[in-house]
Amino acid sequence: ETGVTQTPRHLVMGMTNKKSLKCEQHLGHNAMYWYKQSAKKPLELMFVYNFKEQTENNSVPSRFSPECPNSSHLFLHLHTLQPEDSALYLCASSQDGTASGANVLTFGAGSRLTVL
Amino acid sequence: GQNIDQPTEMTATEGAIVQINCTYQTSGFNGLFWYQQHAGEAPTFLSYNVLDGLEEKGRFSSFLSRSKGYSYLLLKELQMKDSASYLCAAMDSNYQLIWGAGTKLIIKP
Repeated sequence: ETGVTQTPRHLVMGMTNKKSLKCEQHLGHNAMYWYKQSAKKPLELMFVYNFKEQTENNSVPSRFSPECPNSSHLFLHLHTLQPEDSALYLCASSQDGTASGANVLTFGAGSRLTVL
Repeated sequence: GQNIDQPTEMTATEGAIVQINCTYQTSGFNGLFWYQQHAGEAPTFLSYNVLDGLEEKGRFSSFLSRSKGYSYLLLKELQMKDSASYLCAAMDSNYQLIWGAGTKLIIKP
């Protein structure tokens, strides 16, 4: 266990469904991140929250909607997804999101999403 | 553009040594990270280099040459549990991480 827990671990949904991914960290970190991991591709940063404020949105389609109610919890709300959105979605946290070269990320094990 | 290159897959023998290379091109540089990711698990932090040279942590070492835009991860006395993907990531001048696609390391008995 890394201290970052993601649920569900696996999710299958149709293109018209609405679902949510949940991430919880028990490390006392103040920054949380959503990444998309596709096979044989680099990690793609989607969203960053620092002290509950969204600081990054890397041109992510509006069918992905993040929510960060507090520093320990992060959600990714999904609706009307496309088959190409099938991937592993990784949550990560770090001490804070300030500019620091030693800002080490702690990842969760990911939610494997399949869109039919 | 910003880019990270690392081999897609490598194979090595248990007990041997393997070197995984990573070359990077970034706008500015604020350090290079290596993460290990076992199949179905979270990536975990291995090392961070910001100055040139070799940093050793037990069986794992990481090297950086900023002038060459080059790093490597050296794994000694390979064990079966070292079978995993190894992710290289460089931090640019805006402290954004630029990730490689990962190197899948297969260890054979």
